Amino acid sequence: DAGVTQSPTHLIKTRGQQVTLRCSPKSGHDTVSWYQQALGQGPQFIFQYYEEEERQRGNFPDRFSGHQFPNYSSELNVNALLLGDSALYLCASRAGTSGYEQYFGPGTRLTVT
Amino acid sequence: DAKTTQPPSMDCAEGRAANLPCNHSTISGNEYVYWYRQIHSQGPQYIIHGLKNNETNEMASLIITEDRKSSTLILPHATLRDTAVYYCIVRVGDTGRRALTFGSGTRLQVQP
Repeated sequence: DAGVTQSPTHLIKTRGQQVTLRCSPKSGHDTVSWYQQALGQGPQFIFQYYEEEERQRGNFPDRFSGHQFPNYSSELNVNALLLGDSALYLCASRAGTSGYEQYFGPGTRLTVT
Repeated sequence: DAKTTQPPSMDCAEGRAANLPCNHSTISGNEYVYWYRQIHSQGPQYIIHGLKNNETNEMASLIITEDRKSSTLILPHATLRDTAVYYCIVRVGDTGRRALTFGSGTRLQVQP
């Protein structure tokens, strides 16, 4: 059983560009959350999706948007990239009805130059 | 969710018990204590959680004080692979879908 997978592993973009990161949740999980982790800090919650809708959102600007597909996979889109968006982006999934534990993927390392 | 306070770093000798403290003095009655850890360059990993009773699983033990204002995560026989950042998180139990609020955590260095 594959765990949470994310792609790509690493990405380098230029300021002002747009980026899309992808996440496939653990088998049987229907809820996907995205976190941003800057160097030396703990992960910060961006938003959460289930039933193909954004259900919760952290303190992130509208440049950060997402989508969840019928197969529960998810995308994180960031527009108009800033240098400060350089971070590790983590995806976590959980079983919606009874899962107390969130399973994290290995993350996508985004570097904005 | 209640705020937590953890020491920024700790050292532990390999084979000895690692005791990681967490203060959560403003915890509410319906909030659970969760522990996650993050090994370098990996995503966080769930370790254990509890409400008010002590808990034990194959990875660790969680001791929660009677007033629930603090807790200790115990790794009984630390190995080099336990070197990681450990996060103590307090949140309402999973009656719904709630985000995890991570602090800065404790960086545990297990020494050979």
